[in-house]
Amino acid sequence: KQEVTQIPAALSVPEGENLVLNCSFTDSAIYNLQWFRQDPGKGLTSLLLIQSSQREQTSGRLNASLDKSSGRSTLYIAASQPGDSATYLCAAQNTGNQFYFGTGTSLTVIP
Amino acid sequence: DTEVTQTPKHLVMGMTNKKSLKCEQHMGHRAMYWYKQKAKKPPELMFVYSYEKLSINESVPSRFSPECPNSSLLNLHLHALQPEDSALYLCASSPVRGLNEQFFGPGTRLTVL
Repeated sequence: KQEVTQIPAALSVPEGENLVLNCSFTDSAIYNLQWFRQDPGKGLTSLLLIQSSQREQTSGRLNASLDKSSGRSTLYIAASQPGDSATYLCAAQNTGNQFYFGTGTSLTVIP
Repeated sequence: DTEVTQTPKHLVMGMTNKKSLKCEQHMGHRAMYWYKQKAKKPPELMFVYSYEKLSINESVPSRFSPECPNSSLLNLHLHALQPEDSALYLCASSPVRGLNEQFFGPGTRLTVL
């Protein structure tokens, strides 16, 4: 069974800093890797999806990379803002529409 | 339209009640999902429907009964729940083929008394 972990569990940074969130998965035979953000008590918002054949995806200040051979993905956030404060989750999709979620990183950006 | 809607937003029910959660999407997605999420934990997969057929059931107790009446609708019928079933219930959908990106609804906050 796919196991997904995220480090660190919590992160606090001053506004304007660049930061990296990490996601590790045990089974490299993934189909997709998707990054989400979740605000307290809310649903998940899709940020980026990287297909297994891709190495990275970018959207605005966000850049996600994927290294299947090492079982790792990173989410890079440039010039962080207080509005970026949320929990960030990664999810690895194996075949069969089964998504395995990581444990999440709680990000606080201090004004 | 990349929206998944869920009703109700909040639900309080007793252990003897029967209630249903509803989820709807109009993106033409052919896979729909139910997740359960407890506070400060990641979502846990409960059920997956693919082309309106149940394809994954993650050993969920029978007091939770899913239903997919058509390709746009997903229901979760609740009966004889326990207080530990209190959680945020999330619905999601994805295309199945091609870029299989999951989209989530806002969730239903369920409290079982």
